[in-house]
Amino acid sequence: EVQLVESGGGLIQPGRSLRLSCAASGFTFDDYAMHWVRQAPGKGLEWVSGISWNSGSIGYADSVKGRFTISRDNAKNSLYLQMNSLRAEDTALYYCAKGSQGSGRDGYNFDYWGQGTLVTVSS
Amino acid sequence: DIQMTQSPSSLSASVGDRVTITCRASQGIRNDLGWYQQKPGKAPKRLIYAASRLHSGVPSRFSGSGSGTEFTLTISSLQPEDFATYYCLQHNSSPFVTFGQGTKLEIK
Repeated sequence: EVQLVESGGGLIQPGRSLRLSCAASGFTFDDYAMHWVRQAPGKGLEWVSGISWNSGSIGYADSVKGRFTISRDNAKNSLYLQMNSLRAEDTALYYCAKGSQGSGRDGYNFDYWGQGTLVTVSS
Repeated sequence: DIQMTQSPSSLSASVGDRVTITCRASQGIRNDLGWYQQKPGKAPKRLIYAASRLHSGVPSRFSGSGSGTEFTLTISSLQPEDFATYYCLQHNSSPFVTFGQGTKLEIK
C-alpha cells in the first residue's frame, strides 16, 4: 500500500523559513517523480514543485520560484521542500504527491497523495 | 500556459442521478488529463487517468471521456459517498501542470 506522510508544517512568521518532509513507503521510491501540491484554505489545488526520479529534472510554479527548493533522498525514501522568505499567501495545506512515472508528462500524473501538512504564515 | 476551465463550479443532484462535469483546455492536451475527488478534510484521490482510464479500485459508475481540448467526467448513478469536490488536472505541459477550478457536488 502506497503511503505518503508529510511533516514539518506549523505557524511561522513572514520572511522566515520552514522545511517540509514527506516519508514514502509501499513502492519503489526512486522509480517515480514526486511533487508538492498546496491548497489554501477554502481554495482549489495548486501545483508547487516537482522532481524527477533522479533529481535530474526539477520544476517550480512561478509563485514560489526563487524561494522554494525541492529535493529528495532516495536512500531515505524521502521528499523535501525548503521554503524561504515565506509570505502570507503561502498559507496552505501542503500535499506530497507521487507521479505515475519517473519523469516526463506521466511523471506529473499524480496517482497517490499524502494527507498534507498545514503551513500558516502569520505574524 | 494552458488554462483549464471546469464547469459547473457547483452542482446539486440527487442519489441515483447521472451527473456530468466538463473541463476545457485552452489548447490541445491529447489525453493527458486526470480527474480527482476530494472530500472535506481529506486528500484528493485519483479517479481517472489518461482521460478515460479508471484508477485501481474506483467504482465503475465513474467514467471519463474526451481528447484534445474537451473532457468529461460522468457519474452514472450518484451514491451518497460521491458528494464531494471534483478537479481535473492537465499534465501535458509539464512541468507547468494546471488544475481546473473544481466542481462542488452537493445533495439536492
